[in-house]
Amino acid sequence: SQQGEEDPQALSIQEGENATMNCSYKTSINNLQWYRQNSGRGLVHLILIRSNEREKHSGRLRVTLDTSKKSSSLLITASREADTASYFCATDAGYKLSFGAGTTVTVRA
Amino acid sequence: NAGVTQTPKFRVLKTGQSMTLLCAQDMNHEYMYWYRQDPGMGLRLIHYSVGEGTTAKGEVPDGYNVSRLKKQNFLLGLESAAPSQTSVYFCASSETTEAFFGQGTRLTVV
Repeated sequence: SQQGEEDPQALSIQEGENATMNCSYKTSINNLQWYRQNSGRGLVHLILIRSNEREKHSGRLRVTLDTSKKSSSLLITASREADTASYFCATDAGYKLSFGAGTTVTVRA
Repeated sequence: NAGVTQTPKFRVLKTGQSMTLLCAQDMNHEYMYWYRQDPGMGLRLIHYSVGEGTTAKGEVPDGYNVSRLKKQNFLLGLESAAPSQTSVYFCASSETTEAFFGQGTRLTVV
């Protein structure tokens, strides 16, 4: 079974709104990362949060991590049509990098 | 700077045929990964490597073999393709944290 599970599976929002997606994982981790995938293309790294960090920001992205609950959230503020993509959390325990099933975000104009 | 290059990009195989997918990276990364992506399943780890000459099994290794004879290359082999192996295959490499992905190989087994 996969290490990470994203919620919701799909999200549709209006341009300018915020998008929030969650990730839960099962075992202890070193880091948690978020990636983005545009349709049919490879994944692109967005942001990494270490296990001893609780919150991290990068541009319009805000990531939180709660290791006691084994969960993370990704917030995209002021969304744009170009943010339409699938978003995946990835956990690494040692050298193995495991991904969840992803959240598909659609931003409507 | 090419990053991670996968060949081929598309392939159609008949059941029982064999093939090798090639992944090449030019970033001198130690770690390399092979994933498959199926609708609604996200990415599932097939095999990975933590350095030249090493390989390890991921979540779904059955039916696949890998080799890492050179640091920059990670090969994924299908000895006897099955329709269940129809998928999009992604290779990735990393040094310690951020992974860089290839553009994928779309494989159809008929």
